Amino acid sequence: EIVLTQSPGTLSLSPGERATLSCRASQSVGSSYLAWYQQKPGQAPRLLIYGASSRATGIPDRFSGSGSGTDFTLTISRLEPEDFAVYYCQQYGRSPPFTFGGGTKVESK
Amino acid sequence: QVQLVESGGGVVQPGGSLSLSCTASGFTFSHYGMHWVRQAPGKGLEWVAFIRYDGSDKYYTDSVKGRSTISRDNSKSTAYLQMNSVRAEDTAVYYCARGVRAGNFDSWGQGTLVTVSS
Repeated sequence: EIVLTQSPGTLSLSPGERATLSCRASQSVGSSYLAWYQQKPGQAPRLLIYGASSRATGIPDRFSGSGSGTDFTLTISRLEPEDFAVYYCQQYGRSPPFTFGGGTKVESK
Repeated sequence: QVQLVESGGGVVQPGGSLSLSCTASGFTFSHYGMHWVRQAPGKGLEWVAFIRYDGSDKYYTDSVKGRSTISRDNSKSTAYLQMNSVRAEDTAVYYCARGVRAGNFDSWGQGTLVTVSS
């Protein structure tokens, strides 16, 4: 099973600042089968990024993903008030289990 | 638009069974694999189970394997999760999610809370 480790656990930033979130896998994530989700309190998660760098439908271009192999990054270029939330990475591929990272909380400073 | 609605949550006694349903609308249900993902209170996300679009393959996370069954009825656009011998650690919000691209989740239900308690 591939274990995903996200860092930092919490990121304290102000609106307009750049956020950089990290996700490291315990072994290579084949063909960049890495996704990112956003979750706000009391809501279901929302898919942001799939295939490590492709934005899902309707996701603003301030969200971008990069990386391959075992190291992946989600970048929010300029934080908007609605971006303060918890972000999870997830690996997927040919067969389960489909594991999630522990999450990074982006909070307002 | 795509809509997924879970039902069946509530309080279940330890050792009992839970039965959840996920009713889909707004898309051709029989074309998509479906997943269950859970989230314990204050914790992260945990993938639980997956069923292929035609029900031909089913997968489970280790912690529920052997005591859970995922199924679907494409004529009713509904997916199901049954879990037996539930434990306190099964307490969570259970989400159903539509599967795309070999295993990510592009649409989610609002979730249903299952509490295992005597």
